[in-house]
Amino acid sequence: QVQLVQSGAEVKKPGSSMKVSCKASGGSFKTYAIAWVRQAPGQGLEWMGGIIPVLGVVKYAQKFQDRVAVTADESTSTAFMELSSLRSEDSAVYYCAREDAYDIWGQGTAVPVSS
Amino acid sequence: DVVMTQSPLSLPVTLGQPASISCRSSQSLVHSDGNTYLIWFQQRPGQSPRRLIYQVSNRDSGVPDRFSGSGSGTDFTLKISGVEAEDVGVYYCMQGTHWPPTFGQGTKVEIK
Repeated sequence: QVQLVQSGAEVKKPGSSMKVSCKASGGSFKTYAIAWVRQAPGQGLEWMGGIIPVLGVVKYAQKFQDRVAVTADESTSTAFMELSSLRSEDSAVYYCAREDAYDIWGQGTAVPVSS
Repeated sequence: DVVMTQSPLSLPVTLGQPASISCRSSQSLVHSDGNTYLIWFQQRPGQSPRRLIYQVSNRDSGVPDRFSGSGSGTDFTLKISGVEAEDVGVYYCMQGTHWPPTFGQGTKVEIK
């Protein structure tokens, strides 16, 4: 069964950048599209962007378009989400998921942003 | 963006009693391919979301048959025929018909 394993929690300072990884195992990464979804403490789910690695196609939610970058390394079956110019409101758990189906999710990466 | 509106936002339920969650979309979720991409998730405390239902009414493997999804167009419902203690958590609907995908606010199910 396919699994998505994310990188560990990290504490960030306002104005800095974060980069979370999402490694797929147990299946063919090339057939996946990967989405990134975040969840602020006590809040709901928010779609940020997605990538189809085999096509190199990326899409971003308008809210994040100017400071998010989603990439993928097919050789390691790993997707990455980088968010820059961090502010306290970006404190959240960041999830990757298999896009379209949303049947497989990573375990989440907590990123508190605090000075 | 399509707005997904869930109700109620909080749902206290007695064990063994039924529960129902409504999800309404600001636009029809019927895709040009004829399918309706409406998903229901369960999120238990401290866990990642888990898909329960896809394309309105298809239950995922391993999901108890007390969960069922129904609806069409802009109006959808998740029903739990008899709530069990393990069903405590937050339930979200999500549409994947229109880009970008959007989620409902979530409905917190708790035991009375």
